[in-house]
Amino acid sequence: DTGVSQNPRHKITKRGQNVTFRCDPISEHNRLYWYRQTLGQGPEFLTYFQNEAQLEKSRLLSDRFSAERPKGSFSTLEIQRTEQGDSAMYLCASSLPDRTHYGYTFGSGTRLTVV
Amino acid sequence: GQQVMQIPQYQHVQEGEDFTTYCNSSTTLSNIQWYKQRPGGHPVFLIQLVKSGEVKKQKRLTFQFGEAKKNSSLHITATQTTDVGTYFCSPRGGNKLVFGAGTILRVKS
Repeated sequence: DTGVSQNPRHKITKRGQNVTFRCDPISEHNRLYWYRQTLGQGPEFLTYFQNEAQLEKSRLLSDRFSAERPKGSFSTLEIQRTEQGDSAMYLCASSLPDRTHYGYTFGSGTRLTVV
Repeated sequence: GQQVMQIPQYQHVQEGEDFTTYCNSSTTLSNIQWYKQRPGGHPVFLIQLVKSGEVKKQKRLTFQFGEAKKNSSLHITATQTTDVGTYFCSPRGGNKLVFGAGTILRVKS
């Protein structure tokens, strides 16, 4: 394992199209998070999985956003009917349980541009 | 959820000068993590502080957690150009970390 892997690195899409991003976390990490980051801001929490269960979803997240982690390994984030305001860097992170002190490991992100 | 205010928002220092960023909360924090994000990069975990009054060092970086667990600081001694980036203090809010806008550090060589 070299870290958290995200694909694609960049995505340009037309407004109204659907997009899907993939995240492969570190294999022994049972926790997986999706964040969104815009220029000049810190990462904004979107959703959290523990194994395959989606345990928390931001209230700011519209119903156009959906995430899955079907087998408790990789995760996908889908945005339906994209809008220009969805343009951002989408970051995935994984971690061990809270009692450890290793923090989150972030992937390099998927940069989405909606035109 | 937990919110923190980080100051300054931006600092530009001469290489070799020291740098400190402060993180303040109105509520008691269970723990706090610090991350560094280089320009164009992703956040990288630096350290976690858990105990009241805790001080941890990583080479030129010194991290402190306040006695009341409501504030934290990161001090960099003799900054280098490799220190440029945004530094985030991130408390835990429920199941996840909460990130503010961070402190942007620029270093003039």
